[in-house]
Formats: sequence, C-alpha cells, structure tokens
Amino acid sequence: DTGVSQDPRHKITKRGQNVTFRCDPISEHNRLYWYRQTLGQGPEFLTYFQNEAQLEKSRLLSDRFSAERPKGSFSTLEIQRTEQGDSAMYLCASSLFLPRGGGGYTFGSGTRLTVV
Amino acid sequence: DAKTTQPPSMDCAEGRAANLPCNHSTISGNEYVYWYRQIHSQGPQYIIHGLKNNETNEMASLIITEDRKSSTLILPHATLRDTAVYYCIVRGVSGAGSYQLTFGKGTKLSVIP
Repeated sequence: DTGVSQDPRHKITKRGQNVTFRCDPISEHNRLYWYRQTLGQGPEFLTYFQNEAQLEKSRLLSDRFSAERPKGSFSTLEIQRTEQGDSAMYLCASSLFLPRGGGGYTFGSGTRLTVV
Repeated sequence: DAKTTQPPSMDCAEGRAANLPCNHSTISGNEYVYWYRQIHSQGPQYIIHGLKNNETNEMASLIITEDRKSSTLILPHATLRDTAVYYCIVRGVSGAGSYQLTFGKGTKLSVIP
C-alpha cells in the first residue's frame, strides 16, 4: 500500500492525558498536512510541513498541540492535557509541491480521538 | 481563498449522471477549482481540478463556466459507492494560503438504487 498511513485509527483517552498520533506520508511527497474534522463539518487546516520545516500553523493549533516531522519523513501530532473539545477526527495528507498547480492531496483514513 | 457555495444535499438514481454544482463568484484569475469527496469514515479523496478549461479523468468531468464563477462536477454513471460528501474548493497555487485546502460543508450526494 503506497497511500498515507495513520496510526492509530481510534484512540479513547481520559481528559488530561497526552496523546500522540503518527502519519506516514507517500514517500516521494515533500509536503505533509494535518487537518481536524468534527462531526458534520468539513476538515479544518491545522499545520503543514515542507520537508522537515513546519511552515504554517493555524490559530486552531493551541499551545497544547505540537507537530513534528523529523528528517522530512513521518510526522507526529501530540496533544497534551486533552480536553473534551479535542474529540475529533485528525487527518493527515501529503502532496508533491508543484509550482504551477497539479494533483491533489492524498489523505489518510484519519485517527478518531474520543476524550472522555 | 475564494468562498464556494454548494447545495447541502442531492439525490441521484443509480446509473444516471450526477451533476453537482458549485458557485465561486469571487474566484481570482490564478485560483484553481478542486473537487474532493469523503466517503463515510474515510479521509477526503481527490477527484479532479481545473483552471478554466473543462477537464475529464477516469472518475469524473469538471465543467467550468466561461466567466469561471461556477462549475459542475459530473459523475457520468453514478453507483452506490459514489454516495459521499462532495467538496468544491478554490485554491491558489502560489502566495499566502496556497498550501491549504479550505473545506466548506460540501454536498451530501445520495445515490439511490
């Protein structure tokens, strides 16, 4: 399978605990994105990387959230001191940057987080 | 990015063409129209994109009006597996915000047997 892989698929955690999600992008893609999706809404942008550099963070990404992409390969998204409002689907996507537009992003199947 | 307007839901009979409209009246000259769909419990899937010419691939056709203020995604022979939420997104290819996709609520397409 050469798609975008996310692990775990589901995570249930108690409020106040820390959680970490992993994303493995398509190997030749140099851009990686994290999105969050709540029930009934479209995905919302959180942050993106070009290679190992984190180039943009949304205002949605509070200081409890941190994302890394060491060596420009896989990425992790950590949420510290989880709150019930963090319950959502966390989606990872990757793309190959093409200056004049080009193909779309490839999304993973997401990690569904439930904070109880 | 320009905003898009889509109907919240549509029905289509299996085997018939599904025509999904999208209005993007404030689109800029360098912004592309992208379509994605999201089947329940999966991540969004890229379908097609275009700038000003009509486009076709193995999944769908994209018809963009001459003034580029609206477009239509056409699934020529809808199947039950095409039941999904379809998102129309306008995105520039350079400049601030060009890296991100701004999703609205999309159109929930139900293909009926």
